[in-house]
Amino acid sequence: QSALTQPASVSGSPGQSITISCTGTSSDVGGYNYVSWYQQHPGKAPKLMIYDVSNRPSGVSNRFSGSKSGNTASLTISGLQAEDEADYYCSSYTSSSTLVFGTGTKVTVL
Amino acid sequence: EVQLVESGGGLVKPGGSLRLSCAASGFTFSSYSMNWVRQAPGKGLEWVSSISSSSSYIYYADSVKGRFTISRDNAKNSLYLQMNSLRAEDTAVYYCARDGILLANRFDYWGQGTLVTVSS
Repeated sequence: QSALTQPASVSGSPGQSITISCTGTSSDVGGYNYVSWYQQHPGKAPKLMIYDVSNRPSGVSNRFSGSKSGNTASLTISGLQAEDEADYYCSSYTSSSTLVFGTGTKVTVL
Repeated sequence: EVQLVESGGGLVKPGGSLRLSCAASGFTFSSYSMNWVRQAPGKGLEWVSSISSSSSYIYYADSVKGRFTISRDNAKNSLYLQMNSLRAEDTAVYYCARDGILLANRFDYWGQGTLVTVSS
């Protein structure tokens, strides 16, 4: 199972909105709504930000939103803040009854 | 407070074995599926294995199938990963993570990770 494809880096200024894409296939992202997004700060464990494509866990800012179209899922961060600077990973259930993570995206706040 | 604490990492030679543990507290461990996810130094996340709440269902990544064994002891609130025939490419920080539904990919709590280094 190949990793889902994400851009290596995305940047934006404070207050702006950015979108991170996550491209898979019909056997993973496109075939199921079990797509999640995780935020990871350096040296820390990942944190769940979005699950089931577009649902936010309790306590996660509503500046984070998720969506999906075909084989590509997206995470949008609106009103970008300095604390949002981190690595972001998407993940999906697959038709092989496994899970696959994305390649990861480094978000930089300019 | 939900807590997951991994232990058992360390330095091991290629071909060697290691057993990781994850001690859970603050929630009803027997009601949740559990998972292992690893991260090689400077690299991305990689799903390793998942186990259902009652151990009835177990899944592995192809990269570890036949070498790693996931298990749990609900009476001890503990998750395990037995790693055999270790290779250099297994070097990583290993995290345990909780999931509300098996393979639903809702890892809402993670441990701090334990580092496994495979080197001669």
